[in-house]
Parts: sequence; structure tokens; C-alpha cells
Amino acid sequence: GENVEQHPSTLSVQEGDSAVIKCTYSDSASNYFPWYKQELGKGPQLIIDIRSNVGEKKDQRIAVTLNKTAKHFSLHITETQPEDSAVYFCAARKAAGNKLTFGGGTRVLVKP
Amino acid sequence: DAGVIQSPRHEVTEMGQEVTLRCKPISGHNSLFWYRQTMMRGLELLIYFNNNVPIDDSGMPEDRFSAKMPNASFSTLKIQPSEPRDSAVYFCASRRLGGFGTDTQYFGPGTRLTVL
Repeated sequence: GENVEQHPSTLSVQEGDSAVIKCTYSDSASNYFPWYKQELGKGPQLIIDIRSNVGEKKDQRIAVTLNKTAKHFSLHITETQPEDSAVYFCAARKAAGNKLTFGGGTRVLVKP
Repeated sequence: DAGVIQSPRHEVTEMGQEVTLRCKPISGHNSLFWYRQTMMRGLELLIYFNNNVPIDDSGMPEDRFSAKMPNASFSTLKIQPSEPRDSAVYFCASRRLGGFGTDTQYFGPGTRLTVL
């Protein structure tokens, strides 16, 4: 089955700096890659996603890049703010499938 | 919309007791997922339903776990008998299958289960 690896497991950045989280996936049939943000005591919430027919997608301060050949994708957060502190999960799903396989999560701490 | 609703939000029980977790998916969604989250194992998919039918229960850890979806607006996850290692946060998520812009799974707030 699909396996998703996520790095780093923890990330501490200074407010205003950028944060980058990287994921690799194993199944070349995967074509949908969402990123979720989980705040303390809450369920994961989708923040951005990308399909395999595009290489990059941006939404304000967040962006996701995808390299299908290398089977990895990354989340970029620019101009980090304290409210960006949370756990971030990447995931992958096969075409015509319904199961998301999640990475292990990255705990991001933005220091004021 | 109210989002995915889960109850109870917290459950503390003693080993050996039956536990029932409940989920109401977003109206109009026809796919429902149950996940378990622990520090050691992260987010694990336990089971999912399409149109109220269980499709994949390969993540259900043991026969002590069972899930039902009697109608499109309600699902339960039952653990009988419960054990301390079942302590975790259980999430329900839902999605609308098919069509443009329906990729997103929406998660509920979770049920924190503690088995003493």
C-alpha cells in the first residue's frame, strides 16, 4: 500500500521566517496530495491541496510544490505568524480512490 | 453548515466496558471515515463507508471494534470490551464523492477516549 514519510517531525522558526515541510510517497498511482493543519484540541483542517497535473499551487502565504518524478511534495509557509503554530500533516490518495494515507505530522512552533 | 458532529467529546471509562462513539457527517456527504490518532501511531484510518456501505475495514485493529452506518446521517464506532490501549482521539470525517471540487475530507472535532 501507500506509504507517506514526512520531515521534519518538529520545526521551530522565528516569526516572519519561512517554514518548509517535505513529504515523500511511495505509490506512483497517487494523484491527490492535501495538507492539513491541526490545532490543539481540534480536528485536522485542510489548508491547501494539489493534484498531480500541476507542479505548484499558492494560497496567500502558503504554497505546495509537487515533483511527480521524485515522488515528493512540500509545503511552504512564508512570513510565519504565531497563529501558524500547529501540527501539519501531508497525505496522499490514489486516483479513483477514497483512502488518504497520512504522513507522521510536523509540529511547527513559531517564536515571536 | 454545522460541520461534522461527534459525540461525546470526551469519554472516560473502565477497562472491559462498552464504548460507543457517534458521528453525524455533513449533510449531502456520502462517504464517511473513522480515524484513530495516537502519539505513537499518528493518524490511522480504521474504516470507511461509501453510501452507508463499509468499503474498507482493514484498519480496524481487532474484533472488539465494530462500526455501523444505518443511514446517511449517522454512524457509530463501538469498542467492546474496551482496553487501556484503546485510549486515543477518534475522529470522524466525511466527504462528498464525485464531481469537481469534492476531494476534501472534513474532520470532526474528535472524541478523546480514556480507558482506565
